Amino acid sequence: EVQLVQSGAEVKKPGESLKISCRGSAYSFTNHWIGWVRQMPGKGLEWMGIIYFDDSDTKYSPSFQGQVTFSADRSINTAYLQWSSLKASDTAIYYCAAWGTEGGGWFDPWGQGTLVTVSS
Amino acid sequence: EIVMTQSPVTLSVSPGERATLSCRASQSVSSNLAWYQQKPGQTPRLLIYGASTRATGIPARFSGSGSGTEFTLTIGSLQSEDFVIYYCQQYNDWPLTFGGGTKVQIK
Repeated sequence: EVQLVQSGAEVKKPGESLKISCRGSAYSFTNHWIGWVRQMPGKGLEWMGIIYFDDSDTKYSPSFQGQVTFSADRSINTAYLQWSSLKASDTAIYYCAAWGTEGGGWFDPWGQGTLVTVSS
Repeated sequence: EIVMTQSPVTLSVSPGERATLSCRASQSVSSNLAWYQQKPGQTPRLLIYGASTRATGIPARFSGSGSGTEFTLTIGSLQSEDFVIYYCQQYNDWPLTFGGGTKVQIK
């Protein structure tokens, strides 16, 4: 079964750094874009951006540009989302998802999500 | 930025009845629209892409229509597992944007 497997929940303090991961299981990220989507507690879905796995080309939402960084490690078929200095407002579930398959702009499949809690 | 507005925010429907959910774009997105379903505590699931094409494994009671700025997701006969939240997403222009969601609840 094709799966995107994300790293586990994190609890961090404001100002700390964090890197979460998204690994393809029975799903090669080669020639794929991987997207990141935020869902704050009790809220809707927000597109953060996408990264092209092969050459790490990225496209960020203006709302997240400069706030987060996407990266990829082709050797282990894993994409990453990282923060250099977390804020309490970064508390949310973060989903990775394959984007642009079949030439379209929808997200499918999705990872199970990583809950990030930022609290002092 | 293209703003996606979903209505209603909450839709109350009886099991077995039809549900009609709307998604409006602030400017034309052609047919570059997707619908997702999200159950409580679960990952979003792709239902529809290209405004009207069902994703793999999606039951036939789910159908999408529309183009330009007005879109509709219709659930033909609501089953118990359909009383959850639905989101639309446009992929016609950057940044990609989602609607705020419609919660379908039991009447």
